[in-house]
Amino acid sequence: ETGVTQTPRHLVMGMTNKKSLKCEQHLGHNAMYWYKQSAKKPLELMFVYSLEERVENNSVPSRFSPECPNSSHLFLHLHTLQPEDSALYLCASSQEGGLVGANVLTFGAGSRLTVL
Amino acid sequence: AQSVSQHNHHVILSEAASLELGCNYSYGGTVNLFWYVQYPGQHLQLLLKYFSGDPLVKGIKGFEAEFIKSKFSFNLRKPSVQWSDTAEYFCAVKANAGKSTFGDGTTLTVKP
Repeated sequence: ETGVTQTPRHLVMGMTNKKSLKCEQHLGHNAMYWYKQSAKKPLELMFVYSLEERVENNSVPSRFSPECPNSSHLFLHLHTLQPEDSALYLCASSQEGGLVGANVLTFGAGSRLTVL
Repeated sequence: AQSVSQHNHHVILSEAASLELGCNYSYGGTVNLFWYVQYPGQHLQLLLKYFSGDPLVKGIKGFEAEFIKSKFSFNLRKPSVQWSDTAEYFCAVKANAGKSTFGDGTTLTVKP
């Protein structure tokens, strides 16, 4: 366990379904992230939340909708996805600030999404 | 915008061979540099990091990396690899107050 827990670990959904990915961190960090990891591609940063406010949205299609109700929880709501959205979705957290040792990302195990 | 380039996509070595994985970044300002590793079936985790000070940093499991500012490089090294080092390795760069940018990753396969 890394201190960042993602559920579900595997999800299969049709293109018309609505589902959500959940992430919880127990590290007291103040920033949380969603990354997309596809085969043979670099990690793609999707969203960043710092102190529960979204500070970055990397031109992600609106069929992905993040939610950060508090500093420990992060959701990714999925709706009307496409087969090319199949990937491993990684949640991460970090303590942002000026202290040495900050800015290190702690990742969860990921949610493997398959869109049929 | 910053970018990260990892030169080798797939490296195959025999046990006890020496390893060097290249990483170059493009960003003119102060950066924090990282190597993350993803072992088969496991989560991404930090291998080592450079923030400031001694440009030669040591991480877990005998890995080290050297920051060469003039070359914008942060290459990862290990003198003698083991079968258990088989994994995917990612270089990442973070500018101050910016986001972490990752390279494509290098898959290392160590043959026993």
